Amino acid sequence: EVQLVESGGGLVQPGGSLRLSCAASGFTFTNYWMHWVRQTSGKGPLWVSRINIDGSSAAYADSVKGRFIISRDNAKNTLYLQMNSLRAEETGVYYCVRAESGTAAPFDYWGQGALVTVST
Amino acid sequence: SYVLTQPPSVSVAPGKTARITCEGNNIGSKSVHWYQQEPGQAPVLVIFYDSDRPSGIPERFSGSNSGNTATLTINRVEVGDEADYYCQVWDRSGGRVFGGGTKLTVL
Repeated sequence: EVQLVESGGGLVQPGGSLRLSCAASGFTFTNYWMHWVRQTSGKGPLWVSRINIDGSSAAYADSVKGRFIISRDNAKNTLYLQMNSLRAEETGVYYCVRAESGTAAPFDYWGQGALVTVST
Repeated sequence: SYVLTQPPSVSVAPGKTARITCEGNNIGSKSVHWYQQEPGQAPVLVIFYDSDRPSGIPERFSGSNSGNTATLTINRVEVGDEADYYCQVWDRSGGRVFGGGTKLTVL
């Protein structure tokens, strides 16, 4: 059974940093691109970042470029998202998501999400 | 950036057919994926590449895509189908884009 389990969410002040982790199991981690998708309460999902199978290539939404860093440890089957200079509008649930390689591939499995609250 | 427009809500009686649209400029030239999200849960893929169904998704769910509109169709709607539905595409300028979502209410 495919499992994606996020951790590391919590309350952080504006301008602060947080690191999310996602432990993957039940599939061959190195066969898939991995993504982070954010969802604010009552709104549609918003793609944040993706990383390719060996970690050599990453992409980011314009709004987070230069502040967020996605990475993966294939030996530990774990995905990470380092979030710096956080803003209040980045409050939401962050999902770890699996997709096959390629830009048009669907998001076929989602974790249950990690809640990040950016507030004073 | 690329914009996907969905109706905020669709209502249907049990046993009837629900159609949820997703409008975008020349969306027919793109691959459309659909996700179902129940309250408090993560999204679940229900249709991919316009009309394919993942294993475990009932045949009642189908999709089509042409021109400027993609459509998710749910036949013989059940109370358990009540959820938010999101369309999603990849666009060269906008990246991976989601629609604003449609709340399906089963009357």
